[in-house]
Amino acid sequence: GNSVTQMEGPVTLSEEAFLTINCTYTATGYPSLFWYVQYPGEGLQLLLKATKADDKGSNKGFEATYRKETTSFHLEKGSVQVSDSAVYFCALPIYSGAGSYQLTFGKGTKLSVIP
Amino acid sequence: DTEVTQTPKHLVMGMTNKKSLKCEQHMGHRAMYWYKQKAKKPPELMFVYSYEKLSINESVPSRFSPECPNSSLLNLHLHALQPEDSALYLCASSQGGQNGPEAFFGQGTRLTVV
Repeated sequence: GNSVTQMEGPVTLSEEAFLTINCTYTATGYPSLFWYVQYPGEGLQLLLKATKADDKGSNKGFEATYRKETTSFHLEKGSVQVSDSAVYFCALPIYSGAGSYQLTFGKGTKLSVIP
Repeated sequence: DTEVTQTPKHLVMGMTNKKSLKCEQHMGHRAMYWYKQKAKKPPELMFVYSYEKLSINESVPSRFSPECPNSSLLNLHLHALQPEDSALYLCASSQGGQNGPEAFFGQGTRLTVV
C-alpha cells in the first residue's frame, strides 16, 4: 500500500546549523510529494512540493529532491533559524476518487532551533 | 488568495451540547476535507467532499455530521461528543480533478469536550 516513513525526532539544532529530515515513501506509480509545516498553535502550511522524479521543490531556504531510485524526499536547509522551529510532515497524496486526494502523512518531526 | 478560513478558532463544549464548525474557501476548489489531529500526531482524514457530494467517510462516528451547503462552505456538526473527541479539527481544500493534489489547510478549530 501507500505509506510514508519519516524520521521522528525531536530534532534540536543551534541557529545556522544544517538540517536534514529524512522521508521515504512507498507508492504505486509516481505520485506528487509534499512537505507541510505546522507552527505552534496553527494549521498546516504547504512548504514545498515535487510532482515528478528528479524534481526539486524549494521554498524559504528549504529544499527537497524527489528521488525515484531511493524512493526518498528528504528535507534540507543549509542554515536554520529560530523561526523555523515547528513540526514538519512529509505527505503523499493518494487519489481517492471524484477528483479528490487524501493525504497520507509521516508521523511528523518536531524541530527546535536554539539561539 | 490561498486562504481557508475556519471558525471558531477555539471551542469548549459539554457532552450534551450541539455545536458546528465552519470552513470557507474562495479558491474555486472542488474538493474539501475534514481532518482530525490529536496532540503530537499527524492529521487523520475524517471526510471528503468532492463537487459538494460526500465521497469518503472514514468510519467516523455519527456524532460527527458533515455538511457541504455549497462549493465554498463546509460544516461539521457536533452532537453528544466524548472527551476523547477533544482535538484540533482541520479543514482543507484542493483544486479537484487532475489539476493538482496539494491541499490548503485552515488554521483549525481546537475543540475541548468537557
